Amino acid sequence: DAGVIQSPRHEVTEMGQEVTLRCKPISGHDYLFWYRQTMMRGLELLIYFNNNVPIDDSGMPEDRFSAKMPNASFSTLKIQPSEPRDSAVYFCASSSTDTSQYFGPGTRLTVL
Amino acid sequence: AQTVTQSQPEMSVQEAETVTLSCTYDTSESNYYLFWYKQPPSRQMILVIRQEAYKQQNATENRFSVNFQKAAKSFSLKISDSQLGDTAMYFCAFMSPPQTSGSRLTFGEGTQLTVNP
Repeated sequence: DAGVIQSPRHEVTEMGQEVTLRCKPISGHDYLFWYRQTMMRGLELLIYFNNNVPIDDSGMPEDRFSAKMPNASFSTLKIQPSEPRDSAVYFCASSSTDTSQYFGPGTRLTVL
Repeated sequence: AQTVTQSQPEMSVQEAETVTLSCTYDTSESNYYLFWYKQPPSRQMILVIRQEAYKQQNATENRFSVNFQKAAKSFSLKISDSQLGDTAMYFCAFMSPPQTSGSRLTFGEGTQLTVNP
């Protein structure tokens, strides 16, 4: 299996622009997670899906953030408008019912 | 809410030696899962090992093993025959069973391990 795939690997944008991060989970996994990693706050869960349905979005920082999972093999995390404080590494992870989460390589986002 | 504490921000070890990373957690639950993840400079989060709380036997994966002390709420990672490629940030993580709180992972602050030649 190719593992969890994320794109882009790096994103540099200017404040106010829309940013879309993409994730393809491991085939057969029915849970998908979006995390954010910063030096100040460490690893934070933003939102997770089960069978394409958002289950817990309490970690989404504010309305500028939104996530979708239109099908079992694709999810997006969108930030609109982006702000410098959104600069972080964003990880997507997936798991099956055995609970072990497997992470993608991450997207390093820089908002200028 | 569950908390995970890694009290060693940095550690170093000589190549081929053994090192133990500490982790404690706080929970009122009796059934849960514990994990160690490794994050090398490439920043990829790699699952190293997992332990189910209901299993008394400590998990092992090649050179990696854990010492799970449920009563003490302690979950340490032992790396034997350390290799240069083991240099990474190591995160301890806790998860309640999915049916009780979803599949949320709670991470510790991390321990930066450096393996010296």
